[in-house]
Amino acid sequence: EVQLVESGGGLVQPGGSLRLSCVASGFNFTTYWMTWVRQAPGKGLEWVANIKPDGSQKSYVDSVKGRFTISRDNAENSLYLQMNSLTAEDTAVYYCARGIGDSWGQGTPVTVSS
Amino acid sequence: AIRMTQSPSSFSASTGDRVTITCRASQGISTYLAWYQQKPGKAPQLLIYAASTLQSGVPSRFSGSGSGTDFTLTITYLQSEDVATYYCQQYYSYPRTFGHGTKVEI
Repeated sequence: EVQLVESGGGLVQPGGSLRLSCVASGFNFTTYWMTWVRQAPGKGLEWVANIKPDGSQKSYVDSVKGRFTISRDNAENSLYLQMNSLTAEDTAVYYCARGIGDSWGQGTPVTVSS
Repeated sequence: AIRMTQSPSSFSASTGDRVTITCRASQGISTYLAWYQQKPGKAPQLLIYAASTLQSGVPSRFSGSGSGTDFTLTITYLQSEDVATYYCQQYYSYPRTFGHGTKVEI
């Protein structure tokens, strides 16, 4: 069974940093693109970033470029999202997803507030 | 970025109805389109990819069509468990973009 389990969310002050993790199991992680998607409270889905299986290609939505970094550790079946210079607009539930989204984690909430 | 416009934004239907949701891309995306269902408090679930291919395990009452800029998601014989918000997403170019969602109520 495919499982994606996110962690690392929480309350952080504006300007702060947070690192999200997503541990994958039940499939060959090393062969899949992986994606982060977020959803602000009461809002729709927003694609954030994705990464190629070998980590050699990464793409981001403009609003996080230069602040967020997606990475992966294939030996640990793990996906990461390093988030810096956080603002209130980054408050959301963050989901990791496999590929275009055929499997999703349960999400981890991030709240940016003083 | 490609803009995805869904319509309607919400509506109410009856069980057994045939329901159609439309999604329009601001430029051609071939068939690089997916549809997701999201129930309250839950993660999204992939329904359709490549515009018309049903994801494994998804009931056959869901179907998708379209190419280029205009796409539709159809639910034949709406059931109570289909109450959810539905999103389209293009994966033709970066950044990937979602429609704003269509909330279906009964």
